[in-house]
Amino acid sequence: GAGVSQSPSNKVTEKGKDVELRCDPISGHTALYWYRQSLGQGLEFLIYFQGNSAPDKSGLPSDRFSAERTGGSVSTLTIQRTQQEDSAVYLCASSLTGINTDTQYFGPGTRLTVL
Amino acid sequence: AQSVSQHNHHVILSEAASLELGCNYSYGGTVNLFWYVQYPGQHLQLLLKYFSGDPLVKGIKGFEAEFIKSKFSFNLRKPSVQWSDTAEYFCAVNMNRDDKIIFGKGTRLHILP
Repeated sequence: GAGVSQSPSNKVTEKGKDVELRCDPISGHTALYWYRQSLGQGLEFLIYFQGNSAPDKSGLPSDRFSAERTGGSVSTLTIQRTQQEDSAVYLCASSLTGINTDTQYFGPGTRLTVL
Repeated sequence: AQSVSQHNHHVILSEAASLELGCNYSYGGTVNLFWYVQYPGQHLQLLLKYFSGDPLVKGIKGFEAEFIKSKFSFNLRKPSVQWSDTAEYFCAVNMNRDDKIIFGKGTRLHILP
């Protein structure tokens, strides 16, 4: 079956502009995760959804970052007034139930470059 | 603060060499442990995981990892690496049974043919 998909695959934007990154999880997966991968920094947790609600937003680095999930499926990560330090690969993952022993299935990521 | 440390950032080995990648975490409670791998040009994928039972866990492609609670470690091993094992390896830990997984910074493994 189809895996996790993300769009766009690459995004180049100018400092100060807003961007929206999209994630389509595996059908039927109730949990969805966003991570940020910066060079040499590993994966930084951003936010987690269980269904449409986000019980853990603790990883969002600033109030310029927001995310929503609709219909228990697609999720959008929005970064307002982008800064150069926002440049990174943004990864989305989904898991079947969201319990902490579940395997997370990752998408290919969106590479964001802020000029 | 809770953290995950991977000691080696970049490892270069020849084919057939033995591999051990270190992973340590800082948390005294119950943990679930994972190793993920990212092959060149591919998505991150699960290599193996531990959450209970036998602390020696076997994963795909001949990899195994051992949970040593007293050392707060979950090192990844493979007795004989292949060129196709060239990838980046991430240790990840779920602590305190919450929903978040904390990833290490990754180890880039390069296998010389």
